[in-house]
Amino acid sequence: TQLLEQSPQFLSIQEGENLTVYCNSSSVFSSLQWYRQEPGEGPVLLVTVVTGGEVKKLKRLTFQFGDARKDSSLHITAAQPGDTGLYLCAGNNFNKFYFGSGTKLNVKP
Amino acid sequence: EAQVTQNPRYLITVTGKKLTVTCSQNMNHEYMSWYRQDPGLGLRQIYYSMNVEVTDKGDVPEGYKVSRKEKRNFPLILESPSPNQTSLYFCASSQIPWESDSPLHFGNGTRLTVT
Repeated sequence: TQLLEQSPQFLSIQEGENLTVYCNSSSVFSSLQWYRQEPGEGPVLLVTVVTGGEVKKLKRLTFQFGDARKDSSLHITAAQPGDTGLYLCAGNNFNKFYFGSGTKLNVKP
Repeated sequence: EAQVTQNPRYLITVTGKKLTVTCSQNMNHEYMSWYRQDPGLGLRQIYYSMNVEVTDKGDVPEGYKVSRKEKRNFPLILESPSPNQTSLYFCASSQIPWESDSPLHFGNGTRLTVT
């Protein structure tokens, strides 16, 4: 059983479209992180959110942490082919990390 | 360059033959951890270490061992590998992983096949 459920699993969109990826859990986390992974490489951190209700922006990416610190979303505005990759959310309770199964995003030119 | 180095990148072995995957970081990080990544399951934490000689189980520790004799190294040991341990393995390190300015730094992975 996955502690963190990510949706959708796959997303194929045209360049310029907007998209949202969801990360849901019944557990409360101290912090939640979003990573992006390219084929043949390890995940790279995009953002960490710590406070319930927190919103962080990274250029065209907007991350939100739910008020109850159980869920999060990643919104990409005007997606570009360079955004293609596997997006992973990870919930953290101090020393332990729990990852979602990932969302594979393909942005077509 | 700050990095986490895993070796080997690819490993094919047979059931029962002991193996070690090495992991080394050059960032003086306190925290190190191992994960396995399987299709549809994401990354699952195997073991982690908060400091030298301090290790603890993650979500899926069965069949694995680790040691932390030096701060920079955190090898993953499979005493008697089985086919269900075929997976992509990642080592990661961090200073204080639950703080927003202290990310997990991942190695480039080790693809292990056990026949």
